[in-house]
Amino acid sequence: QVQLVESGGGVVQPGGTLRLSCAASGVTFKNYNIHWVRQVPGKGLEWVADIWYDGSNENYADSVKGRFTISRDNSKSTLYLQMNSLRADDTAVYYCATVWWLRGDYYFDSWGQGTLVTVSS
Amino acid sequence: SALTQPASVSGSAGQSITISCIGTSSDVGAYNYVSWYQQYPGKAPKLIIYDVSSRPSGISDRFSGSKSGNTASLTISGLQAEDEADYYCSSYTSNSILEAFVFGTGTQVTVL
Repeated sequence: QVQLVESGGGVVQPGGTLRLSCAASGVTFKNYNIHWVRQVPGKGLEWVADIWYDGSNENYADSVKGRFTISRDNSKSTLYLQMNSLRADDTAVYYCATVWWLRGDYYFDSWGQGTLVTVSS
Repeated sequence: SALTQPASVSGSAGQSITISCIGTSSDVGAYNYVSWYQQYPGKAPKLIIYDVSSRPSGISDRFSGSKSGNTASLTISGLQAEDEADYYCSSYTSNSILEAFVFGTGTQVTVL
């Protein structure tokens, strides 16, 4: 049973920083590309970033490029999202989700429960 | 840019409904990597269709997917009260500098 648990969300002022974590269990973490997807409460899903299974490649949405950094520690089965220069429009629930890229999958097969980030003064 | 879905679709119990997902030749039209997710309020999305028309284990065969050109579709047949939720399509997209996923705008399904 794959379990993804996000943490690190909270309230931060505009311009501030926050680091999210996503701890995985029940899965061979190093086999998966891991993504961050966010959702403004009451709104739709937005893909944010991903990192390859071995950490060799990262991709970012234009809305966060240059401000957010995704990383992973396969020895700890944990994904991170360092968020800098936060803006009000970054307020959202942030989900981590897995893609079994090595198997040739192009879909999110497991999701965490999400962690809420609120950017407000 | 987000894929376009109708904001809401409704149907009576037992009926069939179809949700469209309109993309472009760079995403939906370029790859057979369209997936669909069901989301209940306050819950994480759940995969119900992948690779346009495949169902994960445990997903009812009342859910089916298809694609034509730049438009993908999700059909729910034999609509049930438990199908009342939000539905999102997603597609893989890639260019020379970026590999990414794009989501649809979301559709709220109401069972009358």
